[in-house]
Amino acid sequence: EPEVTQTPSHQVTQMGQEVILRCVPISNHLYFYWYRQILGQKVEFLVSFYNNEISEKSEIFDDQFSVERPDGSNFTLKIRSTKLEDSAMYFCASSGQVDEQYFGPGTRLTVT
Amino acid sequence: QKEVEQNSGPLSVPEGAIASLNCTYSDRGSQSFFWYRQYSGKSPELIMSIYSNGDKEDGRFTAQLNKASQYVSLLIRDSQPSDSATYLCAHSSNSGYALNFGKGTSLLVTP
Repeated sequence: EPEVTQTPSHQVTQMGQEVILRCVPISNHLYFYWYRQILGQKVEFLVSFYNNEISEKSEIFDDQFSVERPDGSNFTLKIRSTKLEDSAMYFCASSGQVDEQYFGPGTRLTVT
Repeated sequence: QKEVEQNSGPLSVPEGAIASLNCTYSDRGSQSFFWYRQYSGKSPELIMSIYSNGDKEDGRFTAQLNKASQYVSLLIRDSQPSDSATYLCAHSSNSGYALNFGKGTSLLVTP
């Protein structure tokens, strides 16, 4: 069964450093998303991406965040200058023609 | 702020019983509703989607939606210990596909 994959599974970085989180969505899906979940809190929407552009973004997705689909399979989330409060699980999701979203296993980002 | 409210639990049910999980939402523009299961340390796993008022059944799971009351529920029949997890209610609105999640209800199925 097709699934969303994410790398790395765990990323440790120092405050102020840039990180890139990578995702490979399900191959025939058209919509891609990033969510985050701070430990003990709810899953929060960051951004959605369709047809090579951002279609929606939340207040969390400020100028330090960017997304890119550099090729036909990868979808990336870049955080330019990480802060302690960026420590969270970051989930990539994708959906096809309907809006059922399938989540990847997540990347645990730890900012020290 | 448009909220999704769930009882945090834990909800404890014996093996073989019916577990009933409830969710209310404040956004009247909500169009699509979803239940996800999340095991500790894992990602959300889609269980059910429901788009119109009424019941939708899939195996041991039944989702119920009442848009007038802004209420959605999930019933799990013949609960198994492997169903022990946190169940997340989510919805998208008519302005896009972004999912708005509740904090989840922790379910414990005891043997």
